[in-house]
Amino acid sequence: DAKTTQPPSMDCAEGRAANLPCNHSTISGNEYVYWYRQIHSQGPQYIIHGLKNNETNEMASLIITEDRKSSTLILPHATLRDTAVYYCIVSRNQAGTALIFGKGTTLSVSS
Amino acid sequence: DTEVTQTPKHLVMGMTNKKSLKCEQHMGHRAMYWYKQKAKKPPELMFVYSYEKLSINESVPSRFSPECPNSSLLNLHLHALQPEDSALYLCASSQEPSGYYNEQFFGPGTRLTVL
Repeated sequence: DAKTTQPPSMDCAEGRAANLPCNHSTISGNEYVYWYRQIHSQGPQYIIHGLKNNETNEMASLIITEDRKSSTLILPHATLRDTAVYYCIVSRNQAGTALIFGKGTTLSVSS
Repeated sequence: DTEVTQTPKHLVMGMTNKKSLKCEQHMGHRAMYWYKQKAKKPPELMFVYSYEKLSINESVPSRFSPECPNSSLLNLHLHALQPEDSALYLCASSQEPSGYYNEQFFGPGTRLTVL
């Protein structure tokens, strides 16, 4: 599985957009980019995933570069409840496939 | 029901004890997972079950023994653990292996302390 690189920590003011970058330069053609987050003392939560097109859902937007070597997760209006560790994972798009978590980015949202 | 439940929430055991962790889901998912998470570290995959059969074992020591008695239930049997096995044990599930994508639903975890 391809490895990912994320900044260890980021800060964001409440109400502003949070842009979380991820590098995955060794991603292969059949691997998707997944984002999960883990709020303190809870299990990880799926946010969004994509292959090469930009994706948006009710939680976030995912922007993937044309060469697929990096991506950005965007939380458009961060709230205090978005404070969490955000994991960028590359994985095949199939249930039963392992998720290999990297160190993630700790996002701190403050008022 | 989009919930994965885990029991117990907390468990303290001695190195000679035998205990079991339980995970349950009623979403009809046929892939289930055990992860281990040490403090301030990311989750690490331990086991994957697909259609009640063990499909991935990430070289986990034999003192951890998984079991999938049916499609809704996943157990992790613990025996002769070491203090360094103290961690948060997370269970997850996802759609059947032929499903479209790998969204895993995680339970809240069992926090295990080995004395």
